[in-house]
Amino acid sequence: QVHLVESGGGVVQPGEFLRLSCVASGFTFSSYGMHWVRQAPGKGLDWVAFIRDNGNAKYYADSVKGRFTISRDNSKNTLYLQMNSLRADDTAVYYCVTTDSTSWGLFDHWGQGILVTVSS
Amino acid sequence: EVVMTQSPATLSVSPGESVTLSCRASQSVATLLAWYQRQPGQAPRLLIYGRSTRATGIPARFSGSGSGTEFTLTINSLQSEDFAVYYCQQYNNWPLTFGGGTKVEI
Repeated sequence: QVHLVESGGGVVQPGEFLRLSCVASGFTFSSYGMHWVRQAPGKGLDWVAFIRDNGNAKYYADSVKGRFTISRDNSKNTLYLQMNSLRADDTAVYYCVTTDSTSWGLFDHWGQGILVTVSS
Repeated sequence: EVVMTQSPATLSVSPGESVTLSCRASQSVATLLAWYQRQPGQAPRLLIYGRSTRATGIPARFSGSGSGTEFTLTINSLQSEDFAVYYCQQYNNWPLTFGGGTKVEI
């Protein structure tokens, strides 16, 4: 059974940083690409970043490019999202998501989400 | 980036009825279009991918169609568990993008 547990969220001021972690279990983590997806309060789903299974390919939403960095440690079954220069519009629940087995671009299993609040 | 636009924002229907949800892309995404269902308090669930292929375990009352820039999701004979928010998503281009969602309510 796939299990994804996010941590590292919280309340920060604009311009500060946070690092989210996602510990995966119940599947072969090193064989799957992973995504971060977020949902701001009252808004829809917003894809943030992707990393392929071996970490050699990464893609980002335009809104976070240059500020956020996705990474993974397959030896620890852990996905990360380093978020720098945070802005108020980064406030959202952040989800760790596995790719579907058929395509990097599809979303399969989701974590429970972690809240990030950026406020002065 | 490819902008995905869903309509309508909200659909009010009764159980047993059928509904059609629309999704438009700002440029062609070929057939690389997916639909997700999000029920309150739950994670999104993949319903349809490749424009019309149902994901594992998805009942036949869900069907997808379209290509290029215009896509639809049809739900026949709505069940109580189908009242949810539905999102379309393109995966033809990076960055991946979602539509704003359509809420199907009673």
